[in-house]
Parts: sequence; C-alpha cells; structure tokens
Amino acid sequence: DAGITQSPRHKVTETGTPVTLRCHQTENHRYMYWYRQDPGHGLRLIHYSYGVKDTDKGEVSDGYSVSRSKTEDFLLTLESATSSQTSVYFCAISEAAYEQYFGPGTRLTVT
Amino acid sequence: KQEVTQIPAALSVPEGENLVLNCSFTDSAIYNLQWFRQDPGKGLTSLLLIQSSQREQTSGRLNASLDKSSGRSTLYIAASQPGDSATYLCAVDPQGGSEKLVFGKGTKLTVNP
Repeated sequence: DAGITQSPRHKVTETGTPVTLRCHQTENHRYMYWYRQDPGHGLRLIHYSYGVKDTDKGEVSDGYSVSRSKTEDFLLTLESATSSQTSVYFCAISEAAYEQYFGPGTRLTVT
Repeated sequence: KQEVTQIPAALSVPEGENLVLNCSFTDSAIYNLQWFRQDPGKGLTSLLLIQSSQREQTSGRLNASLDKSSGRSTLYIAASQPGDSATYLCAVDPQGGSEKLVFGKGTKLTVNP
C-alpha cells in the first residue's frame, strides 16, 4: 500500500468552528488531492496540489482552503464548518499523470 | 463537461460466476481510465489503469477494457469470490494531468457464497 496517512480518522465538531485535516505521505509524490465522498454524489475533488506551495481549486472548493508547505504534508481547512460539510474526506497522491493512491479517509461530522 | 456513469448501481451474483461491470463516459477525449475498489469504511484501492492508447489491462482475475470511440470501459472479474464483494468505481482523466479525475458513482458488488 502507498504510504498515506490521514489524521484525524474521525472528528465531530460544531457548526462555525474551524477544522483542519492532515494528509501525510511517505512516497515523495508530486501531486496531492483532497476529495469528499457523499451518498448520491460520489467522489468530488475539493483542492489539489502539484507541488510545494502550488495548489488549485477543484469542483467543490467553496468553504475550504489548503496549504502545502512540505512535499509530504497537505492540509485541508474548513474555515467555518457547516452541516453541509459533514462527509468522508479522502486524500490521494499521484506522480504526474499516473495512478492515484488513496488514504484511509477521515469521517467528519458537523453538528 | 465529462460525465461518468456506472450501471447497475448494485449487482449480486453467486460465487464462481464470471461478471462484467460497466463504465461509460460522455467525452471520448480521455487520457486514461482507472478502476478502483472500495471496501466499506475504507479508502479506494487502485486496481487497473488503462492509458488511452491501450485497449485492455489485466491483473490476475481482473481484465479491464477500454473503447474510447464508444465511451465505454468494462471490468471483467473471472471466477468471482466472496472476497470480491466491494464497490467498484471507475474514473477518467480527461486532461492528462491526473489532477481532475472524474468519478462514476460505483457499482456495489455482492458475491454470495
């Protein structure tokens, strides 16, 4: 398995609070991604990074920000969590235009 | 806008049966297509990646085919086993940068002993 970890694995938070999810890789891959997975919508890209400090928006980026200060870490921040952001969040990595490898996911509940 | 569809949404088969999962996409201008497996409560596991210049890829009991002109891919599973029970997703890379994969919603496969 690709060396990808996500933390925390589960989190419950209240509406309006900021939340940061962490993705850590040991593969030295250039690309990193954040997705959310929801019933009826499938997997949707939130943000991605193509290098240190190089990020871009995905399909559903509103309400989310990201940062990548090191090759191995990609952080996803919910600036002010809302109930609509209750979801399972997946991090993925890839090297150029090749296969994407996924982390185990973080289940976030916003109450 | 590229759209990916997987039909059926769920499939139940007896153990030992050979089966085919379908994936269709609306824009034939893709760079590659990837098949994933997802077990309940887990992340996605990459199964096979087919480049646009290829017609099929094989890994063990799995064979994935790609027909760009018709906008279709199939995942063939031979001699299915209960351990194959999972949700199978396909995703297309429309641009070659791998950064904006478009996913189908998956087919949930149950293999009954």
